[in-house]
Parts: sequence; C-alpha cells; structure tokens
Amino acid sequence: EVQLVESGGGLVQPGRSLRLSCAASGFTFDDYAMHWVRQAPGKGLEWVSGISWNSGSIGYADSVKGRFTISRDNAKNSLYLQMNSLRAEDTALYYCAKDSSMVGAYYFDYWGQGTLVTVSS
Amino acid sequence: QSALTQPASVSGSPGQSITISCTGTSSDVGSYNLVSWYQQHPGKAPKLMIYEGSKRPSGVSNRFSGSKSGNTASLTISGLQAEDEADYYCCSYAGSSTGVFGTGTKVTVL
Repeated sequence: EVQLVESGGGLVQPGRSLRLSCAASGFTFDDYAMHWVRQAPGKGLEWVSGISWNSGSIGYADSVKGRFTISRDNAKNSLYLQMNSLRAEDTALYYCAKDSSMVGAYYFDYWGQGTLVTVSS
Repeated sequence: QSALTQPASVSGSPGQSITISCTGTSSDVGSYNLVSWYQQHPGKAPKLMIYEGSKRPSGVSNRFSGSKSGNTASLTISGLQAEDEADYYCCSYAGSSTGVFGTGTKVTVL
C-alpha cells in the first residue's frame, strides 16, 4: 500500500524558515517524480514544486521561486521542502504527491494527508 | 503561471450529466496532453479521476470522462450521484518542469 506521510508543519513567524518532510513507502521511491502541492484555508489547490526521480529536473511555482527548495533522498525514501523567508500567504496545508512517471507527467496518483503551515506573528 | 479557469460552481439533479470546463492557454493545456482532474471531498486529500486528458485510473467509475479541445479541457460526469458532490480541480503541465491547477469547481447535486 502506497503511503505518503508529511511532517514538519507548524506555526512560524514571517521571515523565518521551516523544513517539510515526506516519508514514502509502499512503492519504489526512486522510480518516480514527486511534488509538493498546497491549499490555503478555504482555497483551491496550488502546485508548489516538483522533482524528477534523480533530482535532475526541478521546477517551482513563481510564487515560491527563490525562497523554497525541493530535494529528495532516495536512500531514505524521503522528499523535502525547505521554505525560507516565509510570508503570511504561504499559510496552507502542504501535500506531498507522487507523480506517475520518473521525469514528471504532472499528474498525481497518490497524496499524503498534508501538514499545516501557519505563518503568523 | 496563471491558474487555469474553471467555473466556480456547477449543479445538476441525480441522473443528469454535467460538464466542467478548464480553460488554459497555448502554453499549458493547449500544448500538452497532460491534463488531469481531481475530486476533493471536504477535509480529504484530492483523488485522481482523469489523467492524460481522458484516461481513467483503475477503480474510477466510467461515469467520469475527460476531453480536450484546443486550450480547453472538460470533465463530464454522467448519471450524477449524491456522492459526486465535491470540489473538482483540473491540472496541466505548463512547461519548464512546472504545473498549474485550475481555480476549482464546486459540484452540487440538487
């Protein structure tokens, strides 16, 4: 059974940093691209960032480019999102999502339950 | 990276068919056959319903179908059922290793 478990969310002040993690199990992690998708309270889904199986291809939404860094550790079956210079508008539930291909087909067949990030003073 | 445009809400009676549109540009929906659709019930994670424009994952009802014409993709739900009441989002590859979601559509079963 595929499982994606996010962690690392919490309350953080504007301008500070936070690192999210996603622990994957139930599939061969290094065979697939992975993504972060977020959802602000009461709002729609927003694609945040994606990374190919070997970290050779990485992309970011314009809203987070230069502030967020995605990475993965295939030996640990883990995906990460380093979030710096956090803003109030980054407040959201952050989902880890599995892509269906190695390089990125940009459709997400499995999702975690999300970790909540709240940016507030 | 502007969000794809979806109607805010669509409604229908049980047994009817409804269609949700998803309008993008020649840089995303129009350029790639990589449109997907997701169903999200309140408090739940999204669920993949359609991928590559018109393909259904195993386990998804054949009442759900997808299509694309030009810069607009569509999701049709036939034989509408109470359990179909949810939010629906489209998503497309947008080039340069980026993706973009639609604005979301709330489906109400009358």
